Amino acid sequence: GAGVSQSPRYKVAKRGQDVALRCDPISGHVSLFWYQQALGQGPEFLTYFQNEAQLDKSGLPSDRFFAERPEGSVSTLKIQRTQQEDSAVYLCASSRDRAGEQYFGPGTRLTVT
Amino acid sequence: AQSVTQLDSQVPVFEEAPVELRCNYSSSVSVYLFWYVQYPNQGLQLLLKYLSGSTLVKGINGFEAEFNKSQTSFHLRKPSVHISDTAEYFCALSPNAGGTSYGKLTFGQGTILTVHP
Repeated sequence: GAGVSQSPRYKVAKRGQDVALRCDPISGHVSLFWYQQALGQGPEFLTYFQNEAQLDKSGLPSDRFFAERPEGSVSTLKIQRTQQEDSAVYLCASSRDRAGEQYFGPGTRLTVT
Repeated sequence: AQSVTQLDSQVPVFEEAPVELRCNYSSSVSVYLFWYVQYPNQGLQLLLKYLSGSTLVKGINGFEAEFNKSQTSFHLRKPSVHISDTAEYFCALSPNAGGTSYGKLTFGQGTILTVHP
């Protein structure tokens, strides 16, 4: 079956613009994670959903970052008033259950100019 | 709090030579440990994982890792590398805190493995 998909794959935004990044998890996967990977760094946790419930958003760096998963499948990560420090690859991962193996999407590379 | 330290940012090696990528971790609770590989412009792929049981874990593509609780290490090894193993490798952990835990991953900084012909 299909893996985790993310769109767009690349996004260039001018500083101050809002962006929306989409994640389509593997069908039936309960858990969904977002990670941020800055250049030359390992991924860092942003937020976690179990079905439609956002159970952990402790990694979101500021209130400009917002994530949702309204029907427990597709998720959107929104960044308002983008800043240069938001430039990174945003990775989405899903897993069958709460502690199962995570399957990663290819990521969205965001460049803020 | 948990942390993962990968001791080498870059490891160059010749084809067919053995390789070891080093990983140390710190955690106040029991953990699960993972190694992921990332090829250019692709997502992370799980190589292997340690959940419990035998401390020697075998994964895909001929890789293996050994969990050492006393040294809080989880080093990745391969006895003979191929050109196609050139990629970035990430060590990661998630907490094993019983029924309340979930798979939130903490990653190391990554090690770029370059295999030369």
